[in-house]
Amino acid sequence: NAGVMQNPRHLVRRRGQEARLRCSPMKGHSHVYWYRQLPEEGLKFMVYLQKENIIDESGMPKERFSAEFPKEGPSILRIQQVVRGDSAAYFCASSPPRSGGQETQYFGPGTRLLVL
Amino acid sequence: AQSVTQPDIHITVSEGASLELRCNYSYGATPYLFWYVQSPGQGLQLLLKYFSGDTLVQGIKGFEAEFKRSQSSFNLRKPSVHWSDAAEYFCAVGVSNFGNEKLTFGTGTRLTIIP
Repeated sequence: NAGVMQNPRHLVRRRGQEARLRCSPMKGHSHVYWYRQLPEEGLKFMVYLQKENIIDESGMPKERFSAEFPKEGPSILRIQQVVRGDSAAYFCASSPPRSGGQETQYFGPGTRLLVL
Repeated sequence: AQSVTQPDIHITVSEGASLELRCNYSYGATPYLFWYVQSPGQGLQLLLKYFSGDTLVQGIKGFEAEFKRSQSSFNLRKPSVHWSDAAEYFCAVGVSNFGNEKLTFGTGTRLTIIP
């Protein structure tokens, strides 16, 4: 059973360009979460999605960032007009449908974004 | 809102020595607690989790953690560390409210193993 897959693993963008990060959840998982890890820091929650729905986006910056999880295909985290402060590791996690209580989140290998 | 504190930024232990990494949480109800490990340049791997029941939880790679409600702690332990245990360790707390599924992470403890 393949784990959570993220691509690309490394992404270099110049200031002002767009970054698109993809996440394919584990088989059978319908919940996706995005976290950001700044250098020398822990992970910070960004957004929680189910198929075609954003459930919680309380951690998303108000501008330039968006996320989707379409009916078909991977979840996408999109950053428009990137700035140097967006340089970070972006992790995706997935979990199965909730059956009562917190479900375990399984993490992908991350995408390291570098903005020049 | 919930929070997690990992008071030790960096710990160095000798190979074969015992290990304890501290984690304190703040949350009004019974939390869901996790320990993850991250090797350099890698993603996070789940070591163990506490949802309910026995407060001593066994995980992978010989790790265990004990939930102590009175101390709001969930410390990670290993009786004898191996060089391959060198990594960053993150404690995380989840909540039980439907629709509020996010994990809140501590800032991590970097573990260095010396021969």
